Amino acid sequence: AQSVTQLGSHVSVSEGALVLLRCNYSSSVPPYLFWYVQYPNQGLQLLLKYTTGATLVKGINGFEAEFKKSETSFHLTKPSAHMSDAAEYFCAVSGIAGGTSYGKLTFGQGTILTVHP
Amino acid sequence: DTEVTQTPKHLVMGMTNKKSLKCEQHMGHRAMYWYKQKAKKPPELMFVYSYEKLSINESVPSRFSPECPNSSLLNLHLHALQPEDSALYLCASSLQPGDTQYFGPGTRLTVL
Repeated sequence: AQSVTQLGSHVSVSEGALVLLRCNYSSSVPPYLFWYVQYPNQGLQLLLKYTTGATLVKGINGFEAEFKKSETSFHLTKPSAHMSDAAEYFCAVSGIAGGTSYGKLTFGQGTILTVHP
Repeated sequence: DTEVTQTPKHLVMGMTNKKSLKCEQHMGHRAMYWYKQKAKKPPELMFVYSYEKLSINESVPSRFSPECPNSSLLNLHLHALQPEDSALYLCASSLQPGDTQYFGPGTRLTVL
């Protein structure tokens, strides 16, 4: 079975500081990996995804994430936080074709990012 | 059209009511999903439709009844709900099962 752990339910940074949100996954085979952002009372917006190929993935709004198979991690970073980045962020895994978890998206518990002026 | 739409945005219903949630996409996606999200929790998968056929039911109570009339439309029929069913209900779609899922804005459901 696949699972996702997000370290830190709350992260607080100053505007302009580095953002680092941690995500570790557990899967019998390397899964597909995603980061979504959710603003209050809204749906989820895709930030970026990793399926195959280059392990450093760039997404929208200046975010990027690096897939590290040896560490089973997919941490999300942004060099300089902006006030508009304040939201809840979810890491998610999806099983690959042929696997028992194919088509099922499993989310981490979420990390609420607060940005201080 | 590159979005998933959901109606209504908000819904308040009594435990004896019957209501339906609607989800629509015009991106040509052939997989559609229903999720339930309680406050301060991640979304939990309820149902998956693949090519208009129910492919995954995550042991959801029968008071929730999904329907996929065509490839663009997904409904969730609600009957005899409980207050603990109050949540944000999210719809998503993907080009094929297992592809990247794109979410709608959700329906905030309150059961009195």
